[in-house]
Amino acid sequence: GAVVSQHPSWVICKSGTSVKIECRSLDFQATTMFWYRQFPKQSLMLMATSNEGSKATYEQGVEKDKFLINHASLTLSTLTVTSAHPEDSSFYICSAQGSRSTDTQYFGPGTRLTVL
Amino acid sequence: KQEVTQIPAALSVPEGENLVLNCSFTDSAIYNLQWFRQDPGKGLTSLLLIQSSQREQTSGRLNASLDKSSGRSTLYIAASQPGDSATYLCAAPTDSWGKLQFGAGTQVVVTP
Repeated sequence: GAVVSQHPSWVICKSGTSVKIECRSLDFQATTMFWYRQFPKQSLMLMATSNEGSKATYEQGVEKDKFLINHASLTLSTLTVTSAHPEDSSFYICSAQGSRSTDTQYFGPGTRLTVL
Repeated sequence: KQEVTQIPAALSVPEGENLVLNCSFTDSAIYNLQWFRQDPGKGLTSLLLIQSSQREQTSGRLNASLDKSSGRSTLYIAASQPGDSATYLCAAPTDSWGKLQFGAGTQVVVTP
């Protein structure tokens, strides 16, 4: 199957700093990328949908000014957690999809964020 | 709004037994249904994708069925192995963009 990478795989930062997470589709063009977060022992919750060249669409309850998403190319989307706080500590996972909504979504390996 | 439920939440079987994992969804007008595997602290691995026009998909020891009329999908894993221990998630799109609604998952432990 297709490969999606995330960088970094884990990050520890101080409260108040900003952290950028990259999501790349390595062998296909991802028209749409999705960002999820997952708390321990819980399932994935969609945060936002990003389409190449457009503004991201955020799910209800997700602060767009706190979680900045940029989808600058068909192979790269970034999630920036601004002014991070301990409650932002979580596992962040991205997925990438081709041009059709019925295409398989391929998931990245996830990024573990710990805010001290 | 699409809701996805998985039962049971956890399952433990001895090696060699067949596994049956259930997934139910509320909106039968789905484009597809996808099964994933997640190992602890890792991302998701796509196992099977069943399009709405299909009734089942098979890959090796895995077989997934889809019954839209009853709002159910079942993942069968034949002759389970300890390496099958993981959390299995099913997900269905909630809109035409492909946004996925995940079930809570079934945590599987296969004992040697």
